[in-house]
Amino acid sequence: DQQVKQNSPSLSVQEGRISILNCDYTNSMFDYFLWYKKYPAEGPTFLISISSIKDKNEDGRFTVFLNKSAKHLSLHIVPSQPGDSAVYFCAASGYLFPDKLIFGTGTRLQVFP
Amino acid sequence: DTEVTQTPKHLVMGMTNKKSLKCEQHMGHRAMYWYKQKAKKPPELMFVYSYEKLSINESVPSRFSPECPNSSLLNLHLHALQPEDSALYLCASSSKSGTSGTYGYQETQYFGPGTRLLVL
Repeated sequence: DQQVKQNSPSLSVQEGRISILNCDYTNSMFDYFLWYKKYPAEGPTFLISISSIKDKNEDGRFTVFLNKSAKHLSLHIVPSQPGDSAVYFCAASGYLFPDKLIFGTGTRLQVFP
Repeated sequence: DTEVTQTPKHLVMGMTNKKSLKCEQHMGHRAMYWYKQKAKKPPELMFVYSYEKLSINESVPSRFSPECPNSSLLNLHLHALQPEDSALYLCASSSKSGTSGTYGYQETQYFGPGTRLLVL
């Protein structure tokens, strides 16, 4: 049972435009959501997170939106840059410490000039 | 500083070898994790240590043996591995953040660069 889903395996965006990556989840007990960026053969790099009590969190070019009623979150990257080309994983966790991160299957973002 | 280091970067071993992967963090984090990642798949949790004690074991085969010598170090001992164990092994660490959610404080996991393991 896939509790965190990223339904788009890939996304191609022109440099300077907005990239929107989507993530859906099924477990209403998830309390914290994170986005990681990953290059091949490297560890995931933490990008941005959002708590379940918020609906938006911004950090520079990255904004994450959370819609709890729809169990949906999205990552917006504006403006997109070629260096943003990577695989993006969304992940969710509960409130225990430590807790297991449940990862989505990833979306490969390609930003072209 | 959110650095987690892992050694070695690459490892090739035969099925009869014994080797160890090492992970280190100096962020004062009290939880450390081992994940396994196969190509084009998300990371899969293997083990979690909390305050130097094993708190989660995701039914990992006994040929993988974790060890947490102190709060900064995490090892993964490998013995009699199979070719299907070839993967990227990731270490992570975390601590409770100041961010509060619906049910309490949350943690952010920070990952190391990984060890790429090939079992022949």
